[in-house]
Parts: sequence; structure tokens; C-alpha cells
Amino acid sequence: AQKITQTQPGMFVQEKEAVTLDCTYDTSDPSYGLFWYKQPSSGEMIFLIYQGSYDQQNATEGRYSLNFQKARKSANLVISASQLGDSAMYFCAMRGHYNQGGKLIFGQGTELSVKP
Amino acid sequence: GAGVSQSPSNKVTEKGKDVELRCDPISGHTALYWYRQSLGQGLEFLIYFQGNSAPDKSGLPSDRFSAERTGGSVSTLTIQRTQQEDSAVYLCATLRPAGWDTGELFFGEGSRLTVL
Repeated sequence: AQKITQTQPGMFVQEKEAVTLDCTYDTSDPSYGLFWYKQPSSGEMIFLIYQGSYDQQNATEGRYSLNFQKARKSANLVISASQLGDSAMYFCAMRGHYNQGGKLIFGQGTELSVKP
Repeated sequence: GAGVSQSPSNKVTEKGKDVELRCDPISGHTALYWYRQSLGQGLEFLIYFQGNSAPDKSGLPSDRFSAERTGGSVSTLTIQRTQQEDSAVYLCATLRPAGWDTGELFFGEGSRLTVL
């Protein structure tokens, strides 16, 4: 069975510093996709970044980068130069098997608080 | 509309009553997913639609939960004889047709259900 694990319930970071949010996954599928979403207190789910299992390079999107270590089955999110607006819940997710229609399996989330 | 629309945004009901939650997907998005998010928790998959059929209902917690989709568009999630443990935010998401493997899910803002 596929599983996503986020071991950090909460994290604090000083404004303008970088922070890494951990995510490990378990799957037996040779091909899979990994996603990060941000959920502010307003509740909306905002897509941040995607990494394919066969991608040779780590994904980057602006201040977000995904540190993909396939052998360790980890897909950590790195946020550079944290801003107060980055305070939110962050969810790591994995795309299920192709016969599951593209659904995402989510971790429990990490609550990030950015201090001024 | 431009995004996934859900209604009602908030619903308070009494234990034992039935509720219906509605999702209007992004036009042309054929895959539709329902998730449940309990307070402070991650997203729990409920059901997936491809067109009007539901190939994966594995996440529905009990036979009190059902969902349908008509015209490949609007979907309704029905909870019968609601219980207090049904209190949660119910999120609907859709996937663009060509994006099952790499595409992100687009989420609505959710329906917050409170069962008294």
C-alpha cells in the first residue's frame, strides 16, 4: 500500500530564513508523482510543486524546491527566504497507482509558523 | 466558473438528519474527487469519479455515505443519518483531462459540516 509520512506536526522559522519540511513515502510502483500543497488558515488548498519519479532534476518553483532523494524515498520541501505569508499547513501527497484514477494520497501535514 | 465551486460553504445539522453537499467542477475536467478533512488532520480520500461513473469508492466510511455525478459535471455527496463524527470539511477536487499522472488537483474551498 502507498503511504505518505510527515513527521513534523509543527515547525517554526524566522522570517527570511530557509526551512525544510520533511516527507517520506512508501510505494511499490516504479512510476509515481509527488506533490506539495499549502493550506492557509482560510482552508483553500494551493498547489506548490510537483516531482515525477523519473525526473532527473529536483523540481523548483520560485522560492520552493523539492529535495527528491529516491533511494531514501524522501521528498522534502525547501522554502527559501521565508515570508510571514508562508505560515500555513503544508501537505505532501503522492499520486496513486494509475488504475486508481489519479487520486492523491496525503500526509498528515506540517504546520509552519514564520516569526517576524 | 473559473474554479471548483462547492456549496454550502457551511452546514450545521442535527444528528440523524441527512445532508447533501454539492460540487461544481471546472468545465471540461472529467475526473472528480471527494476528500474529507477532520480538524487538524490530513485529507482522507472518499470517492473518485471519471465522468459519471465511480471506479473507486474505497474511501467511503460507511453505507451512510453516497455520491453521484450527473452529466459529467455536478457531483453531490450525501450523508444519511449524520453522526457527530461526520463533522469535518468536505473538499472536492478536479483534474484536467490530460493530467492524470503529472497534473495537480484543483480544489474547491470546501463545505464545513458540523453535526450537533
